[in-house]
Amino acid sequence: DAKTTQPPSMDCAEGRAANLPCNHSTISGNEYVYWYRQIHSQGPQYIIHGLKNNETNEMASLIITEDRKSSTLILPHATLRDTAVYYCIVRSNTGKLIFGQGTTLQVKP
Amino acid sequence: DTGVSQDPRHKITKRGQNVTFRCDPISEHNRLYWYRQTLGQGPEFLTYFQNEAQLEKSRLLSDRFSAERPKGSFSTLEIQRTEQGDSAMYLCASSLGTGSSRDEQYFGPGTRLTVT
Repeated sequence: DAKTTQPPSMDCAEGRAANLPCNHSTISGNEYVYWYRQIHSQGPQYIIHGLKNNETNEMASLIITEDRKSSTLILPHATLRDTAVYYCIVRSNTGKLIFGQGTTLQVKP
Repeated sequence: DTGVSQDPRHKITKRGQNVTFRCDPISEHNRLYWYRQTLGQGPEFLTYFQNEAQLEKSRLLSDRFSAERPKGSFSTLEIQRTEQGDSAMYLCASSLGTGSSRDEQYFGPGTRLTVT
């Protein structure tokens, strides 16, 4: 199972874009990159996922490099409610998610 | 909108006792996953079911742990002879299980177990 590397913590000003990086240099050609977040004491929440192309939904955008060895999650206009731990995950072929320690994003007013 | 539900939300038990947790997945979701999360760590995979079949178990799932999913609906996770190291948040997730790219997992609120 591919492993991911994320910075342990980041700060972002409210209203600004939050860019969360992730390295997954050992990803296989058919493995998807998933992003989840976890607000304190709640279950993880699905954000977005992608394979090769950049993806956008109502929550965020996902930018995947051409060699697929890294990606960036973008929250375009961060709010205080976006303060959470963000997990970048390479999903295994069986579907199980292998979580790392994630990035703690602190959105500040 | 009925998401994944888990019961109980909190459980305090004494070392050596048995505990059982229940997870009700989103209706029509074929796959059901169990994860465990200790303080300051990301969730760790324990096991998963495709309908009623248990297809994979982590080495973290010792012989004191057993999970079932009768009739492919709700699932139970039982821990026998609990130890203090079992104290954690136990998370359940479900997905459509179609095998396609759109197979995101939706998590329940978790059951927090404290073993004293």
